[in-house]
Amino acid sequence: GENVEQHPSTLSVQEGDSAVIKCTYSDSASNYFPWYKQELGKRPQLIIDIRSNVGEKKDQRIAVTLNKTAKHFSLHITETQPEDSAVYFCAASKGGGGADGLTFGKGTHLIIQP
Amino acid sequence: GAGVSQSPSNKVTEKGKDVELRCDPISGHTALYWYRQSLGQGLEFLIYFQGNSAPDKSGLPSDRFSAERTGGSVSTLTIQRTQQEDSAVYLCASSSRTSGGRELFFGEGSRLTVL
Repeated sequence: GENVEQHPSTLSVQEGDSAVIKCTYSDSASNYFPWYKQELGKRPQLIIDIRSNVGEKKDQRIAVTLNKTAKHFSLHITETQPEDSAVYFCAASKGGGGADGLTFGKGTHLIIQP
Repeated sequence: GAGVSQSPSNKVTEKGKDVELRCDPISGHTALYWYRQSLGQGLEFLIYFQGNSAPDKSGLPSDRFSAERTGGSVSTLTIQRTQQEDSAVYLCASSSRTSGGRELFFGEGSRLTVL
């Protein structure tokens, strides 16, 4: 089955700086790569996703890049703000749902230092 | 309600007791997932229901774990003879599974503590 590795497990950056979280996956058939954000004590929520027919997608201060050849994808957050502090999970899926549904990474705890 | 609802939000039980966790998905969502979140372990897939199809139970860690989904809506996750290693937050999520729709909408979770 799919295996998703996520690094780093903890990331501390100064407010205003950029943060990058990286994930690798093992199944070359995976074609959907979402990112979920989980604030302390809250539920995970989808913040951005990318499908295998594109290499990059942006939404305001966040962007995701995908390299299918190398089987890795990254989340980029620019101009970080205190409200960006959270645990971020990457995931990969072949898109069929169920048995080949989302496999999540172990998460990255992003800390924004004031 | 507008979102996925889970109950109880917190459950403390003694080792060896059975527990039931409930999930009420977003109305109209045909797909329902259970995940387990332990400290530092990310989101571990447990079981998946899609419409009237047989559930995908491939993530259940042992035969002490079972889940049902009645009428294609509410789901109950049952853990029998609980062990301390079962302590975790159990998250339920639902999805519409319409064409292109893959977003999972999570509940707030049920925090289980086994003493």
